[in-house]
Amino acid sequence: ELKVEQNPLFLSMQEGKNYTIYCNYSTTSDRLYWYRQDPGKSLESLFVLLSNGAVKQEGRLMASLDTKARLSTLHITAAVHDLSATYFCAVPSTSGTYKYIFGTGTRLKVLA
Amino acid sequence: DAGITQSPRYKITETGRQVTLMCHQTWSHSYMFWYRQDLGHGLRLIYYSAAADITDKGEVPDGYVVSRSKTENFPLTLESATRSQTSVYFCASFGLENTGELFFGEGSRLTVL
Repeated sequence: ELKVEQNPLFLSMQEGKNYTIYCNYSTTSDRLYWYRQDPGKSLESLFVLLSNGAVKQEGRLMASLDTKARLSTLHITAAVHDLSATYFCAVPSTSGTYKYIFGTGTRLKVLA
Repeated sequence: DAGITQSPRYKITETGRQVTLMCHQTWSHSYMFWYRQDLGHGLRLIYYSAAADITDKGEVPDGYVVSRSKTENFPLTLESATRSQTSVYFCASFGLENTGELFFGEGSRLTVL
């Protein structure tokens, strides 16, 4: 059974600081997705990582995937308040399927 | 408007009642999903559908029923609601031409008293 673990679960950081969120998963997968959720809102797609070594960047966020280590990272550079949200990673439960399993999320709070 | 819509957005019901949450998408996406979101559990997959008349169980299907007679609709029914089914329910979809990323509806907050 696929397990998807994120850490930390909660992150409070100062504006301007850097930090990394980790997503570990327990079975083989060559795809991984990151989503953002604002409080009381729905989820929106952030990054789609489709192969080993994939790296995507959008503004102050950069995501990478290491399929051999079964690890993805979401790096935050020079955090700003607008990045405050909950971030989820998701992985297909079985290679080639679309039964996505989500991590429990990382709630990020950026303090001014 | 194009997109994926859920109704009702908010629902309060009583234990034992039947409740149906509706999901409608205008993209003609093949795949549709129902997730529930609870504190401490993230999102958990209830059911998904690969096409009309094709559905499959997810992680937590017990107590739920789905159908998909038309590509654009994917209703989720709680046949006899229980308090443990109090949650926020999200419908999502994507088409085969996509990279597999999900597009989510706005969510339906269900409270079972």
